[in-house]
Amino acid sequence: DTAVSQTPKYLVTQMGNDKSIKCEQNLGHDTMYWYKQDSKKFLKIMFSYNNKELIINETVPNRFSPKSPDKAHLNLHINSLELGDSAVYFCASSQGSAGGGETQYFGPGTRLLVL
Amino acid sequence: GQNIDQPTEMTATEGAIVQINCTYQTSGFNGLFWYQQHAGEAPTFLSYNVLDGLEEKGRFSSFLSRSKGYSYLLLKELQMKDSASYLCALTIYSGAGSYQLTFGKGTKLSVIP
Repeated sequence: DTAVSQTPKYLVTQMGNDKSIKCEQNLGHDTMYWYKQDSKKFLKIMFSYNNKELIINETVPNRFSPKSPDKAHLNLHINSLELGDSAVYFCASSQGSAGGGETQYFGPGTRLLVL
Repeated sequence: GQNIDQPTEMTATEGAIVQINCTYQTSGFNGLFWYQQHAGEAPTFLSYNVLDGLEEKGRFSSFLSRSKGYSYLLLKELQMKDSASYLCALTIYSGAGSYQLTFGKGTKLSVIP
């Protein structure tokens, strides 16, 4: 009965490959997010979707493309992987937007290592 | 832009009290969260302040002063399991009716016997 789940948990791949990370939440939340946490543990927002629509798109290379088939899923596809993409990627969800003080619930993270 | 400052590391003794400060400078500020993140795990919610003052929740309390751009997280009766990173995060208006959560770099707390 995991609230926010991500697959895979670990992803090791070669530079130049294309990979996807999947995220699902069973909390009935309207808003989902992708964050990147680098080696210095700095957690930074990448994308935010509300009811399958993109509402936040930070300065992220266009090699990163989020896709939300329905409001319970937000997947992240990464093209032409680079060494600097190595990080932990967290998916999160909340009932409303951050402005309403809504708690965000985080998935367990996907540890991506690009060789 | 935003500027969020927290100490990088702190050490405290089991059973003691520790205060982790967070100062910020930003426009569009709405509220402030504290999250806890154990090594190798996801961040988990601790507290949310939108009004000035102290919010108490068991051993943890969080304070906010909007005029001073300052918050702190107070942890009492420290336990070894409190060793973790503590992330200060601001909700900031990002336009078109939407808000986003911007995290500080976190404070790594080590609790020693």
